[in-house]
Amino acid sequence: AQSVTQLDSQVPVFEEAPVELRCNYSSSVSVYLFWYVQYPNQGLQLLLKYLSGSTLVESINGFEAEFNKSQTSFHLRKPSVHISDTAEYFCAVSDRRALTFGSGTRLQVQP
Amino acid sequence: DAMVIQNPRYQVTQFGKPVTLSCSQTLNHNVMYWYQQKSSQAPKLLFHYYDKDFNNEADTPDNFQSRRPNTSFCFLDIRSPGLGDAAMYLCATCTGTDATEAFFGQGTRLTVV
Repeated sequence: AQSVTQLDSQVPVFEEAPVELRCNYSSSVSVYLFWYVQYPNQGLQLLLKYLSGSTLVESINGFEAEFNKSQTSFHLRKPSVHISDTAEYFCAVSDRRALTFGSGTRLQVQP
Repeated sequence: DAMVIQNPRYQVTQFGKPVTLSCSQTLNHNVMYWYQQKSSQAPKLLFHYYDKDFNNEADTPDNFQSRRPNTSFCFLDIRSPGLGDAAMYLCATCTGTDATEAFFGQGTRLTVV
């Protein structure tokens, strides 16, 4: 069995400030890790993923996440957020069968 | 563009009246998933197909069924919707069995009145 914990349900932050969204997982097998973003009344869009190799992965819009096996974490970071980053962010783990999602973190970027 | 398309985007149904949600894909992916997402909650896997091989999650209610007549289409049938079935239903596809990347549709928001 696998599970994902996102400790922060909401993260308010001012525009241009840095942000970190936390994600911890548990699994009995080696996993793939993902961050998805969801805008209101939309489906999920893949932001970035870790499959193997370098533990630091980056997205095209400035987000990055680091896989930490010893701490079973995959925290998402961005050094400077924009208003347009306001959305729900879901961390997910794959056991090679299907995705299991965390409960989500609502990022609210304020001007 | 190759996509996962869900119809309709919004569906209102009456309590107890059967309803079908549809999903189509132009990605030619083997795997298709149905997730249920209730307000402010994580998406929850209901079932998935690898080709025609159907996999039901242990806690998916019997009220929910699915059909996949071909690679491109997948349907979610709710036989007798209750108020608790109001949610966003998300369809997703994946190339193979290892779920390295799932592509999601826009979702169908189901309201039960």
